[in-house]
Amino acid sequence: EVQLVQSGAEVKKPGESLKISCKGSGYSFTRYWIGWVRQMPGKGLEWMGIIHPGDSDTRYSRSFQGQVTMTADKSISTAYVQWSSLKASDTGMYFCARIEMAPITGYFNMDVWGKGTTVIVSS
Amino acid sequence: QTVVTQEPAFSVSPGGTVTLTCGLSSGSVATSYYTSWFQQTPGQAPRALIYNTYTRSSGVPDRFSASILGNKAALTITGAQADDESDYYCVLNMGSGNWVFGGGTKLTVL
Repeated sequence: EVQLVQSGAEVKKPGESLKISCKGSGYSFTRYWIGWVRQMPGKGLEWMGIIHPGDSDTRYSRSFQGQVTMTADKSISTAYVQWSSLKASDTGMYFCARIEMAPITGYFNMDVWGKGTTVIVSS
Repeated sequence: QTVVTQEPAFSVSPGGTVTLTCGLSSGSVATSYYTSWFQQTPGQAPRALIYNTYTRSSGVPDRFSASILGNKAALTITGAQADDESDYYCVLNMGSGNWVFGGGTKLTVL
C-alpha cells in the first residue's frame, strides 16, 4: 500500500525552530516529487512548494520562499519541512502529497496525501 | 498575482447535479494548466478526485466528472449523495513549479 506517514502534532513558541517529516512507503520514493501544502485554521489549501527526493531539486511558492526549507533524505524515504524561527502565523495543518510530474509540460498528479501534521505556535 | 477563483458555497439536493467551477482572475483556464480537483471533509486530508483536467483518480466514482466550460475548469457531480458534502478545491499549475489553489467551494447536500 502506498502511504505517506507524517510526524505528530507540535506545539511550539514563537522564535523556536521546528522540522516536520513525511515518510513514504510502498513505492519508489525517488521516482516522485513530494509537495507540501498548508491549511491555516478554518481556511483553504495553500501551495508551499515541492521537492524531488532523487536530486533534491526544490521549488518554492513565492509566499513561502525564504520562510521554510524543504529537504529530503532518500536513504530513509523521508521529506522534511523546517522553520528556523516560528511565528504565530505558522500555525496550521501541513500536508505532504506524492506528485507525479513532468516538469517540461507541467503535467502533474497529486495522488496520495499524508494525514497532516498540526503545528501550533503560541506563547 | 494570479488568483484562482471558486464559488465560496453551493448547495445541491440529494440525487441532483451540481457543477463547481474554477477560474482565473485574469485569463482563461486551459488544459495546459493541468487542473486537479480535491475533496476535503473537516479534519481530513484532501482526497484526489481529478487530475490532468479530465482524468478521474483511482477509485473515484464516475458520477464525478470534469471539463472545461467556457473559460473555466469545471467539476460536475451527478446524482449527489449525502457524503458528497465537503469542501472542493481546484489547483492549477501556473508554470515554473508554481501551483495555485482556488479558495475552495463548500458544498452542502440538502
